[in-house]
Amino acid sequence: EAGVAQSPRYKIIEKRQSVAFWCNPISGHATLYWYQQILGQGPKLLIQFQNNGVVDDSQLPKDRFSAERLKGVDSTLKIQPAKLEDSAVYLCASSANPQGRSGELFFGEGSRLTVL
Amino acid sequence: AQSVAQPEDQVNVAEGNPLTVKCTYSVSGNPYLFWYVQYPNRGLQFLLKYITGDNLVKGSYGFEAEFNKSQTSFHLKKPSALVSDSALYFCAVRRNTGGFKTIFGAGTRLFVKA
Repeated sequence: EAGVAQSPRYKIIEKRQSVAFWCNPISGHATLYWYQQILGQGPKLLIQFQNNGVVDDSQLPKDRFSAERLKGVDSTLKIQPAKLEDSAVYLCASSANPQGRSGELFFGEGSRLTVL
Repeated sequence: AQSVAQPEDQVNVAEGNPLTVKCTYSVSGNPYLFWYVQYPNRGLQFLLKYITGDNLVKGSYGFEAEFNKSQTSFHLKKPSALVSDSALYFCAVRRNTGGFKTIFGAGTRLFVKA
C-alpha cells in the first residue's frame, strides 16, 4: 500500500514570495490533515478535512495560508506572502476513520520550507 | 481545551536498559492517546494507541505504554533499549467527541548509548 505522498520535499524562498505544497493521501482515507512543525516543537494542526469539507481550520493563519482538497482526494496548502516565521516542515497526514475518530494518523515525509 | 506535556526534552539510556518516556495530558472526557516516533528527515510513524480497555497497550518494535487515568499519564516504555531506538518521540491526545482534533506534545529525544 502506497503511503502519503508529499511534494516538494524541500523549498527555499524569499519572504513575501508564495509557495504551494501538495499532498496525496493513502487511497480511501477520508480525513486529511496539514500540520506545521517548527524546529524543536511538536506538530501543530493547521487544517483538517473530512472528504472535501473543512472540519477544523481554527489555527490556520487565513490572511496568508489557504488550503483546498478538491474532489476529496489530493490537497494543496498555499502560503502567500511568506514570512520568516513560516520556516518549518509542513506535514500532511491522513486517517481512515470518519473524522479520524480512533484511528492513527499516517504521515508523509514532509515538505521543509526555508524562508530567507 | 486539550494539551499534552512531555516534561523531558531528552532521555538518555544505555543499550539493554529499560526506558521510559513520560507524557501527561489534559482533555475533557475520555481520551484517545497515541505515541509516534520520528526519525531524522522523516514524517511521524505510529507506534501505539490507547482507545479503551486494558491500561497496558503494546505496540510496534517492542514498545508499550501504560494509561493511568487518575494521573492523566500515558508513559511510553520498553524493557530493553536498542541503539536503533534513538529518535524523537511524540505523545498525542485526541478528544473522543467533537472534531476529534489530535494535539501533539513538544517531543522527547531518546538517545540510547551502546
